[in-house]
Amino acid sequence: QITLKESGPTLVKPTQTLTLTCTFSGFSLTTSGVGVGWIRQPPGKALELLALIYWDDDKRYGPSLMRRVTITKDTSKNQVVLRMTNMDPADTGTYYCAQIRAMPGSWFAPWGQGTLVTVSS
Amino acid sequence: SYELTQPPSVSVSPGQTATITCSGDKMRDKFASWYQQKPGQSPVVVIYQDNKRPSGIPERFSGSNSGNTATLTISGTQAMDEADYFCQVWDSSTVVFGGGSKLTVL
Repeated sequence: QITLKESGPTLVKPTQTLTLTCTFSGFSLTTSGVGVGWIRQPPGKALELLALIYWDDDKRYGPSLMRRVTITKDTSKNQVVLRMTNMDPADTGTYYCAQIRAMPGSWFAPWGQGTLVTVSS
Repeated sequence: SYELTQPPSVSVSPGQTATITCSGDKMRDKFASWYQQKPGQSPVVVIYQDNKRPSGIPERFSGSNSGNTATLTISGTQAMDEADYFCQVWDSSTVVFGGGSKLTVL
């Protein structure tokens, strides 16, 4: 059974850097074709890709936030870490991590439960 | 950047067919995936690669893609299908999501 769980602060101040950790089980990020992505969702709004990382360290970023986002993996801990700099109240929302597999038109499944991050002073 | 357009809301009567569209330039050249998200829950993929259903997804969910539009069809819609639905494609080596459609089962 594949599971993913997000962890990190629930409240950050404007201009601070957010660090979120996705801890997963049931698969390895050393397996060919496997990847993990971070997706966020402001309250009542659409999903948005932040970043994703594959088993071979190939990284992809969402175009609107790529200057603020960094994604890394720790295969020994089964973790993927997202860092987002210069947080703003507009970054408030639920942050999800999800598995993705490298294939034509690849999709995210399964997803973690999500973690709500509020940006406020 | 690439944009996907979905109707903000779709209404359907129980037992009828619901159709949710996702429009984008040359959509037919891309694979579309669809996610269902119920209130307070994480998204779940219901269609991938235009028309494939993951195990556990009811047969009443189907998908198609032609021209500039991908379509999610729910036949014999049930009250439990009331949710937000998001389409997703790949473009320029990154992932793009549609704005989402709220399906109301009246």
